[in-house]
Amino acid sequence: GESVGLHLPTLSVQEGDNSIINCAYSNSASDYFIWYKQESGKGPQFIIDIRSNMDKRQGQRVTVLLNKTVKHLSLQIAATQPGDSAVYFCAENIAGANSKLTFGKGITLSVRP
Amino acid sequence: GAGVSQSPSNKVTEKGKDVELRCDPISGHTALYWYRQSLGQGLEFLIYFQGNSAPDKSGLPSDRFSAERTGESVSTLTIQRTQQEDSAVYLCASRSSGGAQYFGPGTRLLVL
Repeated sequence: GESVGLHLPTLSVQEGDNSIINCAYSNSASDYFIWYKQESGKGPQFIIDIRSNMDKRQGQRVTVLLNKTVKHLSLQIAATQPGDSAVYFCAENIAGANSKLTFGKGITLSVRP
Repeated sequence: GAGVSQSPSNKVTEKGKDVELRCDPISGHTALYWYRQSLGQGLEFLIYFQGNSAPDKSGLPSDRFSAERTGESVSTLTIQRTQQEDSAVYLCASRSSGGAQYFGPGTRLLVL
């Protein structure tokens, strides 16, 4: 069936380095994508979103890239900080699906001091 | 402004008991969602409310699960005759028209 998946379960980066978290999606009808950050004991926190008519969107220290040709989504975090340590989820919305989001299992980002 | 709030934050119950979880969405958000998150897993969609439309209940795992929403405000998720496999974090999210979903802190349910 259709699914959203993450390539790596964990990612360890050095403080100050850039982080890249990747996500593959398989539903070509998906038209909206969101990255969430979830810290331990908290609900998912919205980071950045992108619509399918765009291929890049930038926020504060974060950039989301969308490659519809290969159905790939990535989150880039510049100058990673200890506070960035969390589980990151990509989510996709399938057009016409009542904005129900399909989530991947998540990837843990660990920042080394 | 205030975000999505949920109560209780933690709930421990005995197998077979009923539980009721509450969600207060962001004011003005017309859409409300319930999800379930098991330990170390992604989010599983349960139910979706949009205005006065009939709710999308396609994600409810069994008829022991039900949810209600009063207008565009509070929602309650009820689990009857709880089972140990119901133990999870129950997350509520609300969304404004065309926007992203914003999540509450969740209710951690433990069924003994």
